Amino acid sequence: GAGVSQSPSNKVTEKGKDVELRCDPISGHTALYWYRQSLGQGLEFLIYFQGNSAPDKSGLPSDRFSAERTGGSVSTLTIQRTQQEDSAVYLCASTLNRANSPLHFGNGTRLTVT
Amino acid sequence: QQQVKQSPQSLIVQKGGISIINCAYENTAFDYFPWYQQFPGKGPALLIAIRPDVSEKKEGRFTISFNKSAKQFSLHIMDSQPGDSATYFCAASSHNTDKLIFGTGTRLQVFP
Repeated sequence: GAGVSQSPSNKVTEKGKDVELRCDPISGHTALYWYRQSLGQGLEFLIYFQGNSAPDKSGLPSDRFSAERTGGSVSTLTIQRTQQEDSAVYLCASTLNRANSPLHFGNGTRLTVT
Repeated sequence: QQQVKQSPQSLIVQKGGISIINCAYENTAFDYFPWYQQFPGKGPALLIAIRPDVSEKKEGRFTISFNKSAKQFSLHIMDSQPGDSATYFCAASSHNTDKLIFGTGTRLQVFP
C-alpha cells in the first residue's frame, strides 16, 4: 500500500518568506510526527499529533513554526519568516495508535532558505 | 535527561567485518529501544527493536545488545556488506510519552 507522502520533495525559498510543507500519512494511522534533520545531524523532534488529543508542540524551535492536522489525516507544517538556519530536511512519520508501533517515515522535504 | 547519545559519528568497515554502534541514555523511564536505517534521499526505516526485559535480540545479521544497569545499548552488524552502507539511528521512548528520541546518527560505509 501507499506509504507516507510528503510534498514538495524540494523547496527553495528566500529568507523572510513563509513556507508550507505537507504530509499525507498512511491511511488508518492515528499518530503523526514531524522531525527535522539538519546536515550531518540527528533527527530533531518538532511536534506530535495523536488522535484528537492536544498536540505535543514541545519540540518546535520558535513561534515561527506551527503545524496542524486536519480531519485526523493530512498535516501541514508552516514556517513563517524563514531564516537560513531553517534549511534542513523536514521528515514526517505516522504510526498506529499502539505502544511501540514502528514509525513509517516519508522521504522528507528538503528546504533551502537563500 | 531526554538525550540519547550515539557513537561513533562515522564508521568504515571492510566487507565481512563486524560493525558496532553504541548508544547511551539517561532517562530510566525509557522502555523501548529501536534502531532505524536511513539510505540517502529516503526516510529512516525501522531495522530492529528491543525492550529492556531482554539483554539481546537477533534478527539475521543484526543484533541489539542491551545493558540495563549501564543504560547502554548497541547494534552489531555481522558479516557487513556494501549494501549495509547507510546512516543508523538509535532511539528511545517510554510508554508514557510515545515520543521517540533519536541519537545523532552513525554513517556506516562498508567497502568491498
